Amino acid sequence: EAGVVQSPRYKIIEKKQPVAFWCNPISGHNTLYWYRQNLGQGPELLIRYENEEAVDDSQLPKDRFSAERLKGVDSTLKIQPAELGDSAVYLCASSLTQGQQYFGPGTRLTVT
Amino acid sequence: GESVGLHLPTLSVQEGDNSIINCAYSNSASDYFIWYKQESGKGPQFIIDIRSNMDKRQGQRVTVLLNKTVKHLSLQIAATQPGDSAVYFCAENYSGNTPLVFGKGTRLSVIA
Repeated sequence: EAGVVQSPRYKIIEKKQPVAFWCNPISGHNTLYWYRQNLGQGPELLIRYENEEAVDDSQLPKDRFSAERLKGVDSTLKIQPAELGDSAVYLCASSLTQGQQYFGPGTRLTVT
Repeated sequence: GESVGLHLPTLSVQEGDNSIINCAYSNSASDYFIWYKQESGKGPQFIIDIRSNMDKRQGQRVTVLLNKTVKHLSLQIAATQPGDSAVYFCAENYSGNTPLVFGKGTRLSVIA
């Protein structure tokens, strides 16, 4: 069974540019999470989806970050415009409702 | 605010020895705890979990101990192998439907 798929794996952009990350969860998992992981830190939740509904986006910086999961399957996280402080690894995870979370490999973003 | 943290940022052990990784949590309402292993360039991987109605849970070569009196969690790895080298995170949540809160991680290095 395929795990959580994320792309791209690496992205380097200049500040003020837009960037988007894509995630395809494990088939059948209705819950999808986006986390940000800074160097040497644990992941921090940005947004959680139950099917296509964002049920927890309290930690998402809404002035520049947006996310969507239109058909309740794959999801896109966007940053526009990116800032230097956005450099981090962006992790996607999925689970059955309140079940064990399975993480993807992440997208390492570098903003220069 | 309340958060999960770790006592030691790094731990070096000889191959074949047992490893003990510690974690302190401050939220007495936490009722679910998880240990994750994260290798370089990969997302966190579930190792073992424990609920607050238990003191100990064993898996294959791993044991998690929970001391609710002092709000302490530990992960014991028996006969540590080079493949165990990674960063280990504890995570907690409560009320069954709240975000996982991760600690900062402990880097385990296994010396051959």
